[in-house]
Amino acid sequence: DVKVTQSSRYLVKRTGEKVFLECVQDMDHENMFWYRQDPGLGLRLIYFSYDVKMKEKGDIPEGYSVSREKKERFSLILESASTNQTSMYLCASSLPQSGNTIYFGEGSWLTVV
Amino acid sequence: AQTVTQSQPEMSVQEAETVTLSCTYDTSENNYYLFWYKQPPSRQMILVIRQEAYKQQNATENRFSVNFQKAAKSFSLKISDSQLGDTAMYFCAFVDDKIIFGKGTRLHILP
Repeated sequence: DVKVTQSSRYLVKRTGEKVFLECVQDMDHENMFWYRQDPGLGLRLIYFSYDVKMKEKGDIPEGYSVSREKKERFSLILESASTNQTSMYLCASSLPQSGNTIYFGEGSWLTVV
Repeated sequence: AQTVTQSQPEMSVQEAETVTLSCTYDTSENNYYLFWYKQPPSRQMILVIRQEAYKQQNATENRFSVNFQKAAKSFSLKISDSQLGDTAMYFCAFVDDKIIFGKGTRLHILP
């Protein structure tokens, strides 16, 4: 089975802290994604990557950056966390061809106080 | 730009009933894919069913089936003989070169 692992399920951080959310997939997928999920807003794409060292902005990249140094790992970085970044963060991966199933991690609940 | 609309924010049905979740989308593309994902309270998002736009036959997976109406740009999910474990948030997704999710329908199956 494909496994997408998000290292932290629940985090509480202070305003202004630098936050790292780590995601690892074990199926050699080229594509990796970071989404943010908020009630009533669904899933919104923050950043995605189609290859190592490659990154593309999604719909809401402001306040976030990403790193993809290895194919299996895609990290989301909040340079200076703010309270409006309190949310559920979902990592996902897929094979490159359009229409392939997207596999999700269990999600990381981030609370910024 | 493509959009995906799920018009039912929340629904409740009795166990064993059949329920239909609606999804409409807007695109000028001819080739694309559509998905339904389920997110139970444990939060792991899992694939329910997948449909290729070039296939006229509606996809079916056990108790889950879709009614795909390409001309109407509609992709509804039918759950037959609903079970308590079907309680979840359901997301419709449109995929061509981008993946666009609807805002979700929260489904409650009542005992």
